[in-house]
Amino acid sequence: QVQLQESGPGLVRPSETLSLSCVVSGFSIRNGFYWGWIRQPPGEGLEWIGFMYHSGASYYNPSLKSRVSISIDTSSNHFSLRLTSVTAADTALYFCARYDSSVAVDAFDVWGQGTMVTVSS
Amino acid sequence: DIQLTQSPSSLSASVGDGVTITCRASQSISRYLNWYQFKSGKAPRLLIYGGTSLQSGVPSRFSGSGSGTDFTLTISNLQPEDFATYYCQQSFSTPRTFGQGTKVEMK
Repeated sequence: QVQLQESGPGLVRPSETLSLSCVVSGFSIRNGFYWGWIRQPPGEGLEWIGFMYHSGASYYNPSLKSRVSISIDTSSNHFSLRLTSVTAADTALYFCARYDSSVAVDAFDVWGQGTMVTVSS
Repeated sequence: DIQLTQSPSSLSASVGDGVTITCRASQSISRYLNWYQFKSGKAPRLLIYGGTSLQSGVPSRFSGSGSGTDFTLTISNLQPEDFATYYCQQSFSTPRTFGQGTKVEMK
């Protein structure tokens, strides 16, 4: 059974960098799929942040592209999110997820439970 | 960006009821529409992909229909574990976008 678990600081100061990690169990990242992040600000909808293929191809939401990067570490089977110059608008519940890009599916098929990040001084 | 509009934003129903949630896209997205179930504190769950295909392990009381711009998620014989928030999401183009959600509450 594939499982994803997010981790990272729950509080980040304005203008600093938000860094989150997602550990994957039950599946080897090097075997394929895209690996990505989605967030949900309190009381708001879901926003796709981006995803990366295990071999390196990546896609990001244009609204965040200048501040975001996703990286993959196949040796420890985890992937990470880095978001720079954060503001209060980046306060959200952050989910990591696996994306099945096959023509038949094309969906986020496995998700983590989410981790709340608050941006505040 | 493709906008997805879900309706209703919330509904009240009883165990055993049938419920229907709609999702309308701002442009045609063929069948590139997925449905998810969200519960607080739990990992979200993919229910339907490609507009109509049931994800493995999802009960058959969940079904999806539609293509182009109009899609529906139907839950027949609502069970206690089905009270949750449901989101649609399009995979037709980048950026991937989601509907604003429909909360299914117990009447």
